[in-house]
Amino acid sequence: NAGVMQNPRHLVRRRGQEARLRCSPMKGHSHVYWYRQLPEEGLKFMVYLQKENIIDESGMPKERFSAEFPKEGPSILRIQQVVRGDSAAYFCASSREDGVMPDTEAFFGQGTRLTVV
Amino acid sequence: LAKTTQPISMDSYEGQEVNITCSHNNIATNDYITWYQQFPSQGPRFIIQGYKTKVTNEVASLFIPADRKSSTLSLPRVSLSDTAVYYCLVGDRTKPNSGYSTLTFGKGTMLLVSP
Repeated sequence: NAGVMQNPRHLVRRRGQEARLRCSPMKGHSHVYWYRQLPEEGLKFMVYLQKENIIDESGMPKERFSAEFPKEGPSILRIQQVVRGDSAAYFCASSREDGVMPDTEAFFGQGTRLTVV
Repeated sequence: LAKTTQPISMDSYEGQEVNITCSHNNIATNDYITWYQQFPSQGPRFIIQGYKTKVTNEVASLFIPADRKSSTLSLPRVSLSDTAVYYCLVGDRTKPNSGYSTLTFGKGTMLLVSP
């Protein structure tokens, strides 16, 4: 059972370009979460999705950022017109359930390191 | 949301036992306590989770006093490879759509194990 797969691992974009980050959850997991981690900082929640639905996007900037988790295929975090402040590590996690209870821990991917030049 | 407080950093030597304490004074009745480990350039990895008293697995032990206002992650006989950041998180186990989506990782505790 492969873990959470994120690609690309590293992404370089020029200011104003679009960045697309992909996340394939673990098999059997229908809950996906995106977090952002700035250097020397902890992870900050961005968005929580279930298949075809955004459940909570309270941590995601209202402009330029969007996320989807289609019926088929990976979850996508999309950042339009990137700026230098978007440079960070973006982690995706998946879980079988959302409630924090035994045997429902969230598994994280290796992350995508976005660098905006 | 229950806020957690951890030491910013800790130092240890190989073979020692390390105890990292996390304070969560506002923990709610339905909250579980979860610890994650993060190595540089990697995503966090689940270590252990508990609700009360003591939980032990092959990696660590988690001690939770009766008032649940704090918890202690215990790593027996650490090695150099245990150097990482350790996060304490508190989450609601019953409230719909308020589990992992509401977890706040904070800055964690940077554990440095030396030879």
